[in-house]
Amino acid sequence: GAVVSQHPSRVICKSGTSVKIECRSLDFQATTMFWYRQFPKQSLMLMATSNEGSKATYEQGVEKDKFLINHASLTLSTLTVTSAHPEDSSFYICSAIYHTQYFGPGTRLTVL
Amino acid sequence: AQKITQTQPGMFVQEKEAVTLDCTYDTSDPSYGLFWYKQPSSGEMIFLIYQGSYDQQNATEGRYSLNFQKARKSANLVISASQLGDSAMYFCAMREGSNTGNQFYFGTGTSLTVIP
Repeated sequence: GAVVSQHPSRVICKSGTSVKIECRSLDFQATTMFWYRQFPKQSLMLMATSNEGSKATYEQGVEKDKFLINHASLTLSTLTVTSAHPEDSSFYICSAIYHTQYFGPGTRLTVL
Repeated sequence: AQKITQTQPGMFVQEKEAVTLDCTYDTSDPSYGLFWYKQPSSGEMIFLIYQGSYDQQNATEGRYSLNFQKARKSANLVISASQLGDSAMYFCAMREGSNTGNQFYFGTGTSLTVIP
């Protein structure tokens, strides 16, 4: 199946710093990528839909100024958590569309 | 109303036995797709099986089969001959419409534990 990578897989940062997470489709081009957040033992929560060449579409309740999404190419979308706080600690998963939805391996963010 | 409902927070099954994980869905769109994903402790979402709303036969993929009952709006996952490596979270998901770029709706998941 199609491969989606995420980098980094784990990141620990201090409160107030910004963290960038990359999502890449390795063997296909994806005009649409999704960003999810998952708290422990809970389901995936869709944060935003990332469209190549245009602004991301954010779900209700997700702060667009805090979670900056850039989809600059057909194989790369980035999520930047700005001024991270401990409550932003979570598991972030991206996915890319290629006939169906393929998920990246996730990024575990811990904000101290 | 919830688009996807998984009523079993946790399930246990004996190794080599079969297990059914329940999933019901709610949509008024005649075209939709139903998916099951496995999420082991590593966190990666692994695609297992897909069923389209117009598919006449139940989907099967190796030891996984989907018991699709359209009138009841259920899409239960059946895992046959359970293995220890099947222990994981399992999520049912739905995509409404025929556009592959439409968002997925996920259920709350079922934690499956396979007992040796």
